[in-house]
Amino acid sequence: QSALTQPPSASGSPGQSVTISCTGTSSDVGGYNYVSWYQQHPGKAPKLMIYEVSKRPSGVPDRFSASKSGKTASLTVSGLQAEDEADYYCSSYGGNNNLVFGGGTKLTVL
Amino acid sequence: EVQLVQSGAEVKKPGESLRISCKGSGYSFTNYWIGWVRQMPGKGLEWMGIIYPGDSDTRYSPSFQGQVTMSADKYISSAYLRWSSLKASDTAMYYCARLRGATTLRYFDYWGQGTLVTVSS
Repeated sequence: QSALTQPPSASGSPGQSVTISCTGTSSDVGGYNYVSWYQQHPGKAPKLMIYEVSKRPSGVPDRFSASKSGKTASLTVSGLQAEDEADYYCSSYGGNNNLVFGGGTKLTVL
Repeated sequence: EVQLVQSGAEVKKPGESLRISCKGSGYSFTNYWIGWVRQMPGKGLEWMGIIYPGDSDTRYSPSFQGQVTMSADKYISSAYLRWSSLKASDTAMYYCARLRGATTLRYFDYWGQGTLVTVSS
């Protein structure tokens, strides 16, 4: 199963909003409401930011929001802060006991 | 507090075998699937497979089937990832993570700190 498609990079200035897309197929993103998003700072383990398309785990700031339309999921970071600079990965259940990640997006806070 | 603590970094030669570990605490280890995720240097995350420590049921990503072996010892709350013959291309950071979902693989809510495996002659 192919990786989900994310833009390699995204950027925004402090206080601005930025949206990262994650495009799959009808067999993964489009077929299930099991899209999740992870934040990874350099040298650190990934951290769950969003699960089941738009739900935020306890402790994740509400500046992070997400949605899905058809085969494309999106993560929006509002009110950008320096600490949001990291790599972001989407993931989706792919059916048939399979899980697939996106290629990752490097978010730069200008 | 849920924690997954992985074994330390390894340096191995091609052809050698290796087993790395992931020890869970702060929750019922036997009741949640544990997944393994590879991250090659400078690259993205790749799902390798999952194991249910309660009965050692395993499901492998097609990309990793036959390349690695997952196992678990529920009595000491540990999961393992094993290679029988390492290749240079196995050089990567390996993460274990707790999976939410069973019939559908939903998301990883807690992650280990990672184990760096370096394979070099």
